[in-house]
Amino acid sequence: DGGITQSPKYLFRKEGQNVTLSCEQNLNHDAMYWYRQDPGQGLRLIYYSQIVNDFQKGDIAEGYSVSREKKESFPLTVTSAQKNPTAFYLCASSIADLYGYTFGSGTRLTVV
Amino acid sequence: GDSVTQMEGPVTLSEEAFLTINCTYTATGYPSLFWYVQYPGEGLQLLLKATKADDKGSNKGFEATYRKETTSFHLEKGSVQVSDSAVYFCVYNTNAGKSTFGDGTTLTVKP
Repeated sequence: DGGITQSPKYLFRKEGQNVTLSCEQNLNHDAMYWYRQDPGQGLRLIYYSQIVNDFQKGDIAEGYSVSREKKESFPLTVTSAQKNPTAFYLCASSIADLYGYTFGSGTRLTVV
Repeated sequence: GDSVTQMEGPVTLSEEAFLTINCTYTATGYPSLFWYVQYPGEGLQLLLKATKADDKGSNKGFEATYRKETTSFHLEKGSVQVSDSAVYFCVYNTNAGKSTFGDGTTLTVKP
């Protein structure tokens, strides 16, 4: 079955470390997105990509970086510059804006 | 700028009660509108959508009608179940590469 796979499900980061969250889709979708969700809050857009080798900053891109070298993959790196990275991170993809998104099951990142 | 305003939660209902979660938006152009549902510890799932004025989206007993004149897309269900307990998000997309999410409304259904 087609879908989006995020890994790992839980991730622990020490202060000053960079960590990379994986997002892979086999839906043949062109567009991919990264969102951050904090407890009791809505989703905030970090980065998005509408085509391979191209991506745009979202509303809260500072302290994060992405790459889109393959259509299927859109990894997110949380750098040490992100001062408050503890959150639930959601990856999504879509074939076009008007069809809605397919979401992964999320990665919960905790700073220890 | 563009925004989505959802009814604040939490909403607590008894099983078999009628559900309405209000959603209004401000946007330029002709957006598509969506409701997503998020169960605890999971990602979001698309519940229903409407792509033009007067369209009605429906799924699993939930319905929402795209009202352009009132810029609204209220979610309704005639008889909720305990399994409907979740967070519901109202979302709109324009053809501009990203979506605007409401803040989410938490629904708890008690037996």
